[in-house]
Amino acid sequence: AAGVIQSPRHLIKEKRETATLKCYPIPRHDTVYWYQQGPGQDPQFLISFYEKMQSDKGSIPDRFSAQQFSDYHSELNMSSLELGDSALYFCASSLMGREISGNTIYFGEGSWLTVV
Amino acid sequence: AQKVTQAQTEISVVEKEDVTLDCVYETRDTTYYLFWYKQPPSGELVFLIRRNSFDEQNEISGRYSWNFQKSTSSFNFTITASQVVDSAVYFCALSEARDDKIIFGKGTRLHILP
Repeated sequence: AAGVIQSPRHLIKEKRETATLKCYPIPRHDTVYWYQQGPGQDPQFLISFYEKMQSDKGSIPDRFSAQQFSDYHSELNMSSLELGDSALYFCASSLMGREISGNTIYFGEGSWLTVV
Repeated sequence: AQKVTQAQTEISVVEKEDVTLDCVYETRDTTYYLFWYKQPPSGELVFLIRRNSFDEQNEISGRYSWNFQKSTSSFNFTITASQVVDSAVYFCALSEARDDKIIFGKGTRLHILP
């Protein structure tokens, strides 16, 4: 079965550079989530999109932005990168309407971002 | 506010032993969903189970079993006859009906020793 696809899997950037992570949800899934997991930490919710509209926002820095496109794929853009942005970034997807929340959220394999 | 507590930071057991990972949650919603995810050293998050708040029936899947008790706000996970491949970080997580996102506990790192 198709899973959540994230690219690139590994990325090395220098401080103050910009990085873009891409996420392709499971086919027919309408909701995308982004999470950030620092070393030894639990995944922290950044932002989510439902039907291409932002549905919820967590602890996402102002330097980060994201969007969901018409084909439901999503991109997380990170600018003015800092050393502390080094983390594993997960995208997840679910099939979730407002009236049926709580569907299972499936995670991609993650994108490892290293800022040097 | 929702919160998930995994008091066990790290556990080590010898292969073939049984091990239980504890999870306690807090929520003000009457409808919520509980999850367990496994994160092996390779880093991916593997979905293990989802349980709805209105379904307290315990579940068994092979060597895995889950004990959901609303009275104590706990959703514990037991691995029977553990194997080295079970070594991973295990996250308990919660989502409330009012929104979609999952909130994770801090995770329990499980070492299965040969």
